[in-house]
Amino acid sequence: EDQVTQSPEALRLQEGESSSLNCSYTVSGLRGLFWYRQDPGKGPEFLFTLYSAGEEKEKERLKATLTKKESFLHITAPKPEDSATYLCAVQMYSGGGADGLTFGKGTHLIIQP
Amino acid sequence: DGGITQSPKYLFRKEGQNVTLSCEQNLNHDAMYWYRQDPGQGLRLIYYSQIVNDFQKGDIAEGYSVSREKKESFPLTVTSAQKNPTAFYLCASSIAREETQYFGPGTRLLVL
Repeated sequence: EDQVTQSPEALRLQEGESSSLNCSYTVSGLRGLFWYRQDPGKGPEFLFTLYSAGEEKEKERLKATLTKKESFLHITAPKPEDSATYLCAVQMYSGGGADGLTFGKGTHLIIQP
Repeated sequence: DGGITQSPKYLFRKEGQNVTLSCEQNLNHDAMYWYRQDPGQGLRLIYYSQIVNDFQKGDIAEGYSVSREKKESFPLTVTSAQKNPTAFYLCASSIAREETQYFGPGTRLLVL
């Protein structure tokens, strides 16, 4: 069964303390891996799409990387406004094209001032 | 401003009642999706549509119905057959089936 697992479930950091979030996946025919940020009571906000192993993308304090079995979201010198739940999702190929996303349960990140 | 709108923000359902959640986009996207989010679980796909007048079931379609009569609209009906409807419902759209999905602000459905 296709599966997406995110770790840790929750992470509390001090402002400026860098760390990484993990997303491991067991899917066949990966088309793309997506990272979203979700604030409480709001819809997910798109961050990155990664398509192939070795690919990296950056945006401000965030950097996403992809291997054949997992993706990391690195957060460098985080600020309190980076506090949110970070969601990882994968999209697989199926007959005739790609389908909806399969999501992990998310990592709840808290950055303390 | 281009984007995805969902209404209402909060919706209350009485037992045995059907309710409809609205999703509208002005991004000129072909594909639209409905997901359900429950505490401690990942988002789960309910239905998706690649083009007007066509839609497919996702992983948890039982108790739900959709229509796609216009490109910009993809309403979701939660029927009385859905026994556990309390959740946060998210609509998304993408330029095409294979492209990045962008989400609306969500509708929280509560049962009275």
